[in-house]
Amino acid sequence: DSGVTQTPKHLITATGQRVTLRCSPRSGDLSVYWYQQSLDQGLQFLIQYYNGEERAKGNILERFSAQQFPDLHSELNLSSLELGDSALYFCASSPGLAGGQETQYFGPGTRLLVL
Amino acid sequence: AQSVAQPEDQVNVAEGNPLTVKCTYSVSGNPYLFWYVQYPNRGLQFLLKYITGDNLVKGSYGFEAEFNKSQTSFHLKKPSALVSDSALYFCAVRERRGFQKLVFGTGTRLLVSP
Repeated sequence: DSGVTQTPKHLITATGQRVTLRCSPRSGDLSVYWYQQSLDQGLQFLIQYYNGEERAKGNILERFSAQQFPDLHSELNLSSLELGDSALYFCASSPGLAGGQETQYFGPGTRLLVL
Repeated sequence: AQSVAQPEDQVNVAEGNPLTVKCTYSVSGNPYLFWYVQYPNRGLQFLLKYITGDNLVKGSYGFEAEFNKSQTSFHLKKPSALVSDSALYFCAVRERRGFQKLVFGTGTRLLVSP
């Protein structure tokens, strides 16, 4: 158990809908990262937050957005969902103080199925 | 841009035999290198990382990896495989300068047979 929690575990929804995925980082970690894992794209970095502020963006679609709250939990919002958004979404966290050498610890993921 | 290659989609090994999962990388300058393992329906678990110093890095569950700068490789190894090591293994790289995202390889499925 990494100490990173994600809810829900599974999500089934329809095209055009909007969903929110939630992540609680390990105790004390200030950085939160979101990743998308799909069969055709592999594991792709989406976005990083550090202590409530957006730190870096990766291959995140404009239909997707995220935020990190004062209690450091984070939410990833996916809107106008398409079939291709079906994937496993991971959250990871790290202390956020030591830069690129830090280990990111991953949550169990949320499996999203768009029908 | 940084990249990682895991040339084998699957590696098959018999229990008790040594295993190697290959990884090569491309970055500007010196890299940070990581190995993660993913079991079915689970998140990624951290195994080990190379930051600096000794080229041989020891990690969890008896795994180790050797950083080879001239060959730009970071192969994962274990002297004696267990059936329970069967999983999906990911190599990842990050450049040292500035903020750089962690870039993952496509993964290698390890199958250890009894």
